Amino acid sequence: AQSVTQLDSQVPVFEEAPVELRCNYSSSVSVYLFWYVQYPNQGLQLLLKYLSGSTLVESINGFEAEFNKSQTSFHLRKPSVHISDTAEYFCAVSYITTGANNLFFGTGTRLTVIP
Amino acid sequence: EAGVTQFPSHSVIEKGQTVTLRCDPISGHDNLYWYRRVMGKEIKFLLHFVKESKQDESGMPNNRFLAERTGGTYSTLKVQPAELEDSGVYFCASSQDRLSGELFFGEGSRLTVL
Repeated sequence: AQSVTQLDSQVPVFEEAPVELRCNYSSSVSVYLFWYVQYPNQGLQLLLKYLSGSTLVESINGFEAEFNKSQTSFHLRKPSVHISDTAEYFCAVSYITTGANNLFFGTGTRLTVIP
Repeated sequence: EAGVTQFPSHSVIEKGQTVTLRCDPISGHDNLYWYRRVMGKEIKFLLHFVKESKQDESGMPNNRFLAERTGGTYSTLKVQPAELEDSGVYFCASSQDRLSGELFFGEGSRLTVL
């Protein structure tokens, strides 16, 4: 069985401070990895993804995540957060064998940026 | 371009009643997904349509849930009769392909069963 663990349900951080949102997965087969973000009163939207190639992937708004196969992790980081980053962040995986779009989500981490 | 829209945004019903949730995907997206998030837990896959056909309905909890996508456009998810454990947020998503991993989600329909 495949599962995704986001250990931190809530992460408060001061504006301009760095942040790391943790994600670990368990799978016996190769996976694709994703971070989705849900801003207040909006639907989830894709933030970044790892399908293949470089294990370090970046988003357009300064977030990055690194696929670490040995530690089965895909932690999300940002060196300096903004108020507008306040949202709920979901880590997700899918099996390479069943297609990238069959997503299994974690329980989410609510990031609150404090002015 | 309009995004994925869901209706209603919030529904409060009593146990035993029926509720129908509707999803309008992005125009041209053949793939339509339903997910559910019970409070505090993970977002769980319910089913996947390709056009009007059910590609995968392995996540449907039981036969009280019925999903349809007539004509391959909008989709409905009916819960009949509703139970307390059906409460949660029901998300609909659509995608143009099945390989990119990019799903476009609606804002969700919050269902409260009393």
